[in-house]
Amino acid sequence: AQKVTQAQTEISVVEKEDVTLDCVYETRDTTYYLFWYKQPPSGELVFLIRRNSFDEQNEISGRYSWNFQKSTSSFNFTITASQVVDSAVYFCALSEEGDDKIIFGKGTRLHILP
Amino acid sequence: GAGVSQSPSNKVTEKGKDVELRCDPISGHTALYWYRQSLGQGLEFLIYFQGNSAPDKSGLPSDRFSAERTGGSVSTLTIQRTQQEDSAVYLCASSLVGTGSTDTQYFGPGTRLTVL
Repeated sequence: AQKVTQAQTEISVVEKEDVTLDCVYETRDTTYYLFWYKQPPSGELVFLIRRNSFDEQNEISGRYSWNFQKSTSSFNFTITASQVVDSAVYFCALSEEGDDKIIFGKGTRLHILP
Repeated sequence: GAGVSQSPSNKVTEKGKDVELRCDPISGHTALYWYRQSLGQGLEFLIYFQGNSAPDKSGLPSDRFSAERTGGSVSTLTIQRTQQEDSAVYLCASSLVGTGSTDTQYFGPGTRLTVL
């Protein structure tokens, strides 16, 4: 069965600090897809990234970076030099090949303090 | 172009009443999904529509929940005889082709349902 675990329910850091959000997943499939979404206070989910299971290259997009490690079934998300606008709930998610639904973790609420 | 839109943004109803929630997907997107987000919980898949195929209803929590998609575009999620545990934010998403694993889902702002 698919499962996504975000062990950190809530994190608070001071602005400009780096912060890493953890995500551990479970799947029996060899082909699967991992996602991160951001949910700001407005409530709308914003797509951040999608990675497939065959691409373990880390990705960097501005202050955001993702570390995908199949050996530990983890897909961690790091924000460098955090800003107050990064405050949101962040969801990690998993979808298996051929499956129509995405399984979401319970989210990590991130507070960036000025 | 416009994103996924949902209406109403907020709905307060009394226990036992029926409610209808509406979703307008991104133009041209053939796949449409409904999710539920309860307080402090992650997102729970409810139902998925792809083109003219029979919908995947595997996530619907009870037979009080139903959804339809008319003309391959707008979708309505109906909850009959609402219960207090139905209180949640109902999120709609659409994707261009479908099959969540290979296509990105874009989400609407949600409808916050409160059952008194």
